[in-house]
Amino acid sequence: DSGVTQTPKHLITATGQRVTLRCSPRSGDLSVYWYQQSLDQGLQFLIQYYNGEERAKGNILERFSAQQFPDLHSELNLSSLELGDSALYFCASSVGVGTANYGYTFGSGTRLTVV
Amino acid sequence: GENVEQHPSTLSVQEGDSAVIKCTYSDSASNYFPWYKQELGKRPQLIIDIRSNVGEKKDQRIAVTLNKTAKHFSLHITETQPEDSAVYFCAANKVTGGGNKLTFGTGTQLKVEL
Repeated sequence: DSGVTQTPKHLITATGQRVTLRCSPRSGDLSVYWYQQSLDQGLQFLIQYYNGEERAKGNILERFSAQQFPDLHSELNLSSLELGDSALYFCASSVGVGTANYGYTFGSGTRLTVV
Repeated sequence: GENVEQHPSTLSVQEGDSAVIKCTYSDSASNYFPWYKQELGKRPQLIIDIRSNVGEKKDQRIAVTLNKTAKHFSLHITETQPEDSAVYFCAANKVTGGGNKLTFGTGTQLKVEL
């Protein structure tokens, strides 16, 4: 157990629907990151939050959004789902941000299947 | 943005041999380089990392080297065992604005044969 908790583990939904993925970071970690892993795209960085604030953005689609709550858990919202959104979605956490940031720990992921 | 290239994409070695995986990065501002091992359907697990002010780091059978001038870093696994079989990813971390971007290579499928 890495200490990073993601729910649900599996999610099957239809095209056009909206889903929410949840992540609780490791105790003491203030930064949360979301990654998408698909067979043809590898591990793609989506977004980072630090202590409730968005701090870095990657190749996140406009249909996707995220937030980090005061208790530091984070949610990734995926809307108007398409078949191509089927992937493993990982959350990672780390202690700090900026130049003092090392040691990303990943959760076990949520496998999203869009049918 | 940062681009990380990783080679080879597949690597097959005999048990007990060494394995070397190489990565190059494009952005000289990247300051931290972790390596992850991922088994099928599981989470990436950090196996070793190196910061930009260090040239080499070793942890038992695993070592990482970093050449900042050439912008490349390598993973070395000695005395390979069947349980080392997995996909290995290199990554480069860049501080950007008030945050961090960790960019991953495309992965190396390592197979250790008996």
